[in-house]
Amino acid sequence: RKEVEQDPGPFNVPEGATVAFNCTYSNSASQSFFWYRQDCRKEPKLLMSVYSSGNEDGRFTAQLNRASQYISLLIRDSKLSDSATYLCVVSLNTGGFKTIFGAGTRLFVKA
Amino acid sequence: DGGITQSPKYLFRKEGQNVTLSCEQNLNHDAMYWYRQDPGQGLRLIYYSQIVNDFQKGDIAEGYSVSREKKESFPLTVTSAQKNPTAFYLCASRDLSGVQPQHFGDGTRLSIL
Repeated sequence: RKEVEQDPGPFNVPEGATVAFNCTYSNSASQSFFWYRQDCRKEPKLLMSVYSSGNEDGRFTAQLNRASQYISLLIRDSKLSDSATYLCVVSLNTGGFKTIFGAGTRLFVKA
Repeated sequence: DGGITQSPKYLFRKEGQNVTLSCEQNLNHDAMYWYRQDPGQGLRLIYYSQIVNDFQKGDIAEGYSVSREKKESFPLTVTSAQKNPTAFYLCASRDLSGVQPQHFGDGTRLSIL
């Protein structure tokens, strides 16, 4: 079983749609959680951190469920510019501060 | 502006040749990382370092070597022992205090001639 698992997609949605990405992690010692965005042939860029209480940044909402070891990202009112790969990232703040990247979920937003 | 600089952007390697990828950061981060990404795949950790003069192997260290002589610099050498070096190489750094994400350079694309 992979340490961080994501649905690879691709997700094909029309502009204005709401889309949700899910991610599960296997190490219960995981302490920090993030969503990154990666455009084609570019480096990953931090989209948002994920907190236990849930957090929102404009059209983006992230949720964490520690009991189920589950993270989600919700994108509302999708834009063409949201087309990218979204990476779920989990960090262990002990034993080398290991960071594990999911393989990513590809999103295509179409006009 | 603070950030991570990787060079070169594109690099070509001949058979049997060692090549070195540069990574410099001015973010005063303690930890630095090297990842490899193959087309359509996720990131795989090659090496990481939490402090000067110390580094640890990641999941795919064979055929690679690193050094960390200065806090700002973490060069990666792709040796001739790495038989399939063609990939996108990403350097990242992170502040180890608190809950901090990694920040990435814009990558080096390595190809075999």
